[in-house]
Amino acid sequence: DQQVKQNSPSLSVQEGRISILNCDYTNSMFDYFLWYKKYPAEGPTFLISISSIKDKNEDGRFTVFLNKSAKHLSLHIVPSQPGDSAVYFCAARGSGGDNFNKFYFGSGTKLNVKP
Amino acid sequence: DGGITQSPKYLFRKEGQNVTLSCEQNLNHDAMYWYRQDPGQGLRLIYYSQIVNDFQKGDIAEGYSVSREKKESFPLTVTSAQKNPTAFYLCASSIVLLADRKAGEQYFGPGTRLTVT
Repeated sequence: DQQVKQNSPSLSVQEGRISILNCDYTNSMFDYFLWYKKYPAEGPTFLISISSIKDKNEDGRFTVFLNKSAKHLSLHIVPSQPGDSAVYFCAARGSGGDNFNKFYFGSGTKLNVKP
Repeated sequence: DGGITQSPKYLFRKEGQNVTLSCEQNLNHDAMYWYRQDPGQGLRLIYYSQIVNDFQKGDIAEGYSVSREKKESFPLTVTSAQKNPTAFYLCASSIVLLADRKAGEQYFGPGTRLTVT
């Protein structure tokens, strides 16, 4: 049973516009949420994270928003650049018991930024 | 340079053979993880280890085995019992949860693509 879901397998955006990637989760015990970027045949690289006690975290062009009541987070990229084209994974970290320091990943959203 | 390495990048094996994938890190991280990625799917956790000489099964551990004899190394053996071993395998490491709840994001290796025929 997937605890982290990314329901949009792909997203196409024009260069300069905003990209919004969405992620939903089911476990209210997750304490940290992370976004990773992945190019084909490479390992994912960490992009940005947010604690469950925050609702927003910003780093340059990247902002992550967390809505705990809706169990939803989103990654905003503004402005989008062609180099942002990649697969983006949402992940959540377990906080205790058997889930301690265990990470759950969504299935990814492939972002294509068109020049 | 600190980082996490996986070797080889491509690996080919005949069905029925065990194969061991290497993962080494010099980041001084306590936790290490193995994931599997199949086309169009996310990362699924095979095994993880929070500390030397200890490891736990992930969601798809059947047909795999690991060891954690050294902090820097977490090799994964794909046994002949794994029914669909052809996949892209990713190793990762992270710090363990800190008291101030700072995110211990994972650092990933470049991956090993295993093909079994």
